[in-house]
Amino acid sequence: DAKTTQPNSMESNEEEPVHLPCNHSTISGTDYIHWYRQLPSQGPEYVIHGLTSNVNNRMASLAIAEDRKSSTLILHRATLRDAAVYYCILIMNRDDKIIFGKGTRLHILP
Amino acid sequence: EPEVTQTPSHQVTQMGQEVILRCVPISNHLYFYWYRQILGQKVEFLVSFYNNEISEKSEIFDDQFSVERPDGSNFTLKIRSTKLEDSAMYFCASSRQFLAGGTGELFFGEGSRLTVL
Repeated sequence: DAKTTQPNSMESNEEEPVHLPCNHSTISGTDYIHWYRQLPSQGPEYVIHGLTSNVNNRMASLAIAEDRKSSTLILHRATLRDAAVYYCILIMNRDDKIIFGKGTRLHILP
Repeated sequence: EPEVTQTPSHQVTQMGQEVILRCVPISNHLYFYWYRQILGQKVEFLVSFYNNEISEKSEIFDDQFSVERPDGSNFTLKIRSTKLEDSAMYFCASSRQFLAGGTGELFFGEGSRLTVL
């Protein structure tokens, strides 16, 4: 099974950009890279996904390495509300479920 | 914005009692899921459901658990005889597309907290 590796925790200052890394060296060509986050006392929520090209949406940007063995979730201007656990997940072409790892706990300093 | 709703938000029960957790997925969604999260631990997959049958279930989802979509709108998780270790937050999720295509996304509810005494 393709797996991801993320730092346990990261810290950032409010209103600064945050780069959350994810390694997925065993990714296969058809695996999509998804990011979810879980705010305190809430259910997980979808953030962004991509396959090969970098992606932008209203929440974040996803930068995918050329060899696809790593990716970075970019929050352009972190707010206190972005403090959450961020999960990098691979969706394989035979999967119909998401398996969560431990993710990265992001702390935002005011 | 459409959302997944779950009831109750918190249920306290005695060990050995039956519990039913209810979920109303987003109306045009076809794929349904239950996850659980024990306090301080990661979110764990329990079961996926499509076309009125279970697609996949984890080792956690033993004979004490069952799911049902009784009326085309609700999606329920039943725990037949609760144990202390069933205490957790239970999340319902739904998706319009098959996740294996890679482009679908799961929408999660706010969760139902189950406390077994």
